[in-house]
Amino acid sequence: EPEVTQTPSHQVTQMGQEVILRCVPISNHLYFYWYRQILGQKVEFLVSFYNNEISEKSEIFDDQFSVERPDGSNFTLKIRSTKLEDSAMYFCASSNRDSSAKNIQYFGAGTRLSVL
Amino acid sequence: SQQGEEDPQALSIQEGENATMNCSYKTSINNLQWYRQNSGRGLVHLILIRSNEREKHSGRLRVTLDTSKKSSSLLITASRAADTASYFCATDKSNNAGNMLTFGGGTRLMVKP
Repeated sequence: EPEVTQTPSHQVTQMGQEVILRCVPISNHLYFYWYRQILGQKVEFLVSFYNNEISEKSEIFDDQFSVERPDGSNFTLKIRSTKLEDSAMYFCASSNRDSSAKNIQYFGAGTRLSVL
Repeated sequence: SQQGEEDPQALSIQEGENATMNCSYKTSINNLQWYRQNSGRGLVHLILIRSNEREKHSGRLRVTLDTSKKSSSLLITASRAADTASYFCATDKSNNAGNMLTFGGGTRLMVKP
C-alpha cells in the first residue's frame, strides 16, 4: 500500500541552525501538509500546499518556516533558525482529489526534531 | 474546551471489553474523522463521518455524530491488546481537499491482555 515517507526519523540540531525535513508524499496525491506535535500535546496544523503554493497556514508557520516541492516527488519543510521550542515531532501528510476520500489525509511516521 | 477535545484522556480496559471515547468541538464542521496513533508513530485514518450522518460503522468501530451537541463518539467493540494506542478526533470545516484538520488532545487507550 502506498505510504508517505519522511526522513530523517530523528534530527538533532543546535539552536539557531537551519534544518530541512523531508517528505515523499503518496505519488498521485496533490495536496500536502505539515503538522507538528510537541511531546504530550495536540497535533497542530502548520501549512497546506497545493499546485506549488501555500493554501493555508497557521499562526505557528511564521517567517522562520518555509515549504518547497523541489521536484516531482519531495516536499520539504525548512526551519531557518531553530529555537528550543521547535522541538517536536513533525508529520507530513498528503491527500488526493478522489471524491470519496478527498478529506482523508495520509500521514508519515514523522521526524522527531530535537533542538539543543 | 478547544476544538476537538476528547475524553477521557486515558482509558484502561481488559481485552474483550468495549472502549468508548468522546470528542467535543466548538465550530461548525463538514466532517469529523478519527485517527489512531501508535506510540511514536504517525497517524492512521480510521473512519470519517460527514455532518449529515449520525452513525457509521467500520468493522469493530462505530462512530456517532451529534451536530446539535457538537460531539462525536468512537466505540471499539471486543477490544484487543493490539488496539492499544492513542485515538484522536479531527474536524474538517470544509468539503474541499487541501483543508487543515484540527485535532483534539487524544485518548490514550490501553487494552490489557
